[in-house]
Amino acid sequence: QKEVEQDPGPLSVPEGAIVSLNCTYSNSAFQYFMWYRQYSRKGPELLMYTYSSGNKEDGRFTAQVDKSSKYISLFIRDSQPSDSATYLCAMSEMGGAQKLVFGQGTRLTINP
Amino acid sequence: KAGVTQTPRYLIKTRGQQVTLSCSPISGHRSVSWYQQTPGQGLQFLFEYFSETQRNKGNFPGRFSGRQFSNSRSEMNVSTLELGDSALYLCASSTDSSGGYTFGSGTRLTVV
Repeated sequence: QKEVEQDPGPLSVPEGAIVSLNCTYSNSAFQYFMWYRQYSRKGPELLMYTYSSGNKEDGRFTAQVDKSSKYISLFIRDSQPSDSATYLCAMSEMGGAQKLVFGQGTRLTINP
Repeated sequence: KAGVTQTPRYLIKTRGQQVTLSCSPISGHRSVSWYQQTPGQGLQFLFEYFSETQRNKGNFPGRFSGRQFSNSRSEMNVSTLELGDSALYLCASSTDSSGGYTFGSGTRLTVV
């Protein structure tokens, strides 16, 4: 069993929909949680970074961490075709995002 | 400001050869990490350097090695290439005090 599990999708939704992406993990030592977006032929781009449990909002993106359930989520509101990409969750035990453990990534398509 | 620069972008090598990949981090970033991305295994951590010292290492064979120079630029080397080493190799840099890494666009290595 992988340390971080993420449904690879693909996930296809209409423009304007709310998108929910999720990851579960087994290592209770993870304290730092991130979401990355990766476009084709590009490196991952950091979207959200959170420490421990709680919610964090940035524009149309909201990240949630529930350490008791070992479950993290990313919500995208008012989704746009430009949000079409692969979304990767990542986690680490140490600060500064060292030694990240990634999920497999979810391929998301927003249909106009 | 300039992002993380990786060279070359594409590389084709023959089994048994060795290869060196280069990474120039964002100015002021002292932590550089390397990741391997494949369709089957996703993103996997190779190693991390900070101030010219290897600080963390992933579960890869000794054929994979790296180093960091005094200007924070980093190189990784793969010796005795195998077909399974074909992947996108990503470099990421961080200040080590802020959250998350900034990734480069990667070097796509094909071993034939």
